[in-house]
Amino acid sequence: KAGVTQTPRYLIKTRGQQVTLSCSPISGHRSVSWYQQTPGQGLQFLFEYFSETQRNKGNFPGRFSGRQFSNSRSEMNVSTLELGDSALYLCASKTTGQAGELFFGEGSRLTVL
Amino acid sequence: GENVEQHPSTLSVQEGDSAVIKCTYSDSASNYFPWYKQELGKRPQLIIDIRSNVGEKKDQRIAVTLNKTAKHFSLHITETQPEDSAVYFCAASQGTSGTYKYIFGTGTRLKVLA
Repeated sequence: KAGVTQTPRYLIKTRGQQVTLSCSPISGHRSVSWYQQTPGQGLQFLFEYFSETQRNKGNFPGRFSGRQFSNSRSEMNVSTLELGDSALYLCASKTTGQAGELFFGEGSRLTVL
Repeated sequence: GENVEQHPSTLSVQEGDSAVIKCTYSDSASNYFPWYKQELGKRPQLIIDIRSNVGEKKDQRIAVTLNKTAKHFSLHITETQPEDSAVYFCAASQGTSGTYKYIFGTGTRLKVLA
């Protein structure tokens, strides 16, 4: 069974640009969540989608948005990039909407210059 | 607000010794507490979890204890080995009506010295 796949793995943007990251969950997993990982800050929750609906959102500005498609694939978008947005963005999937094991992708490393 | 505090941020132990990492959560409604291990350059992976109706859970050299009254939980690793060196994250679930989000601690970098 294929794991969680994130694309692109690495990208470099400049301030003011926007970026779209993609996440393909494990087949059959309907819940996808996104996290921002920076040194010293751990994993900060961005949002979670289940069956194309955003069910939870973390404390990030409106520049961060996401969506989920009918095949459970998810995208997150960051507009008007700032230097502080440089981070590893991790996506995770799980089978149901209940609390349980998260299966993480390898992440998309975003560098904002 | 929603918060999970994790200590220590770094921990060095001699091979064969035990390691303990502690976390405190703020939301008394949290009922699921996983621990993830992230090796350098790799994705986080679940190593053990505990639900609020259980006080302790053990899996070989790893154990987790939960004190709901004090709102803290701990990871215990016995007989540490060099391959235990990694960053460990605790988390607490929060949510109602079947929706959940996980609040993670800031991580503990464990170094096992040979």
